[in-house]
Amino acid sequence: GAGVSQSPSNKVTEKGKDVELRCDPISGHTALYWYRQRLGQGLEFLIYFQGNSAPDKSGLPSDRFSAERTGESVSTLTIQRTQQEDSAVYLCASSLARRGPETQYFGPGTRLLVL
Amino acid sequence: AQKVTQAQTEISVVEKEDVTLDCVYETRDTTYYLFWYKQPPSGELVFLIRRNSFDEQNEISGRYSWNFQKSTSSFNFTITASQVVDSAVYFCALSEGGFGNEKLTFGTGTRLTIIP
Repeated sequence: GAGVSQSPSNKVTEKGKDVELRCDPISGHTALYWYRQRLGQGLEFLIYFQGNSAPDKSGLPSDRFSAERTGESVSTLTIQRTQQEDSAVYLCASSLARRGPETQYFGPGTRLLVL
Repeated sequence: AQKVTQAQTEISVVEKEDVTLDCVYETRDTTYYLFWYKQPPSGELVFLIRRNSFDEQNEISGRYSWNFQKSTSSFNFTITASQVVDSAVYFCALSEGGFGNEKLTFGTGTRLTIIP
């Protein structure tokens, strides 16, 4: 079946503007994750959804960051009043998450550049 | 707190050589899961392997093999007879067990370049 998809693939915005990043997980995957990858670095966890609830938001770097998930499917990550340090690739992953950590499958990412 | 260390930032080898990528992890849990992902130049993370903490058997998949040693908290990855297509950044990751605690902690990655 189809993999995880993300849109847009690239986003250039001006400092101070809001952006929305979208993730479509693999159909039937109940768990959804957002990660951030700064240039040349590893991935940092942002937030985890189980169904439409977010039991772990510990990685969100500030209150400018928020995310929601609806219909146990699509998720949107919103960054308000973007700053230059928000420039990164934002990756979404999904998994079956039955009784323990299942393999997370990643989307292609959204490359965000804040000017 | 969990932590993953990939001390090798960059490795270059000539095609057909064998190469081992090191991964050392820290966790206080007795149940945990270890992963390796490949990130080719296209950018998309590709899953390679998942191993739980109760299974210390080494695994081989074609030219890839993994050596899990709990005594040294290591989960090393070896590519045998490397090929140019193996050039990528490789990430080791850790997830602690238990439903509801799913997040992956990644190492900083090892950039592998295979020289033709």
